[in-house]
Amino acid sequence: AQSVTQPDIHITVSEGASLELRCNYSYGATPYLFWYVQSPGQGLQLLLKYFSGDTLVQGIKGFEAEFKRSQSSFNLRKPSVHWSDAAEYFCAVGALGGSYIPTFGRGTSLIVHP
Amino acid sequence: EADIYQTPRYLVIGTGKKITLECSQTMGHDKMYWYQQDPGMELHLIHYSYGVNSTEKGDLSSESTVSRIRTEHFPLTLESARPSHTSQYLCASSEATGGGETQYFGPGTRLLVL
Repeated sequence: AQSVTQPDIHITVSEGASLELRCNYSYGATPYLFWYVQSPGQGLQLLLKYFSGDTLVQGIKGFEAEFKRSQSSFNLRKPSVHWSDAAEYFCAVGALGGSYIPTFGRGTSLIVHP
Repeated sequence: EADIYQTPRYLVIGTGKKITLECSQTMGHDKMYWYQQDPGMELHLIHYSYGVNSTEKGDLSSESTVSRIRTEHFPLTLESARPSHTSQYLCASSEATGGGETQYFGPGTRLLVL
């Protein structure tokens, strides 16, 4: 079975600073990997996803993520954070076979200081 | 913009009451899901459906039931609400393409059982 770990419960950055949110997964083969964002009072919205090919994936709102098979990681990055990026970020891993339903991490809460 | 709706958005109810949380999507997606979300915890899958007349239980043991009589509608019912059911419930949908599908989430229903 697949699993995903987001080691940081909270991350605090200053507006304009760079951001990296960590995600480590466990799965025996090449996984499907996702990053979702949840703003207060809203549902989750897909930022980006990786299936195969180029290991650097571009997403919406200026986010990108890099798949590193050797480290079983799929970290999310943004070069310059805006105050509106304050939200909860969820990494998810899916797999071929079975029910195809992704497994979500606990989320990382991003706090942005002015 | 995802077209998936949940009602009510907030619900406060007494122990022992029967409640139904509504979820509708207008995207024609075959797959639908219910998740339970608590602060700082993974999203827990409680039910899912592959299409009309298909319902499956997820990873989280739940005292709720679901039905899928129409493609667009996937209600969740608690026959007898208890304080332990206090949580946020997220509905989602996706196409059925065999893996890696983007999930579209509703805004959630916050349930408080007194």
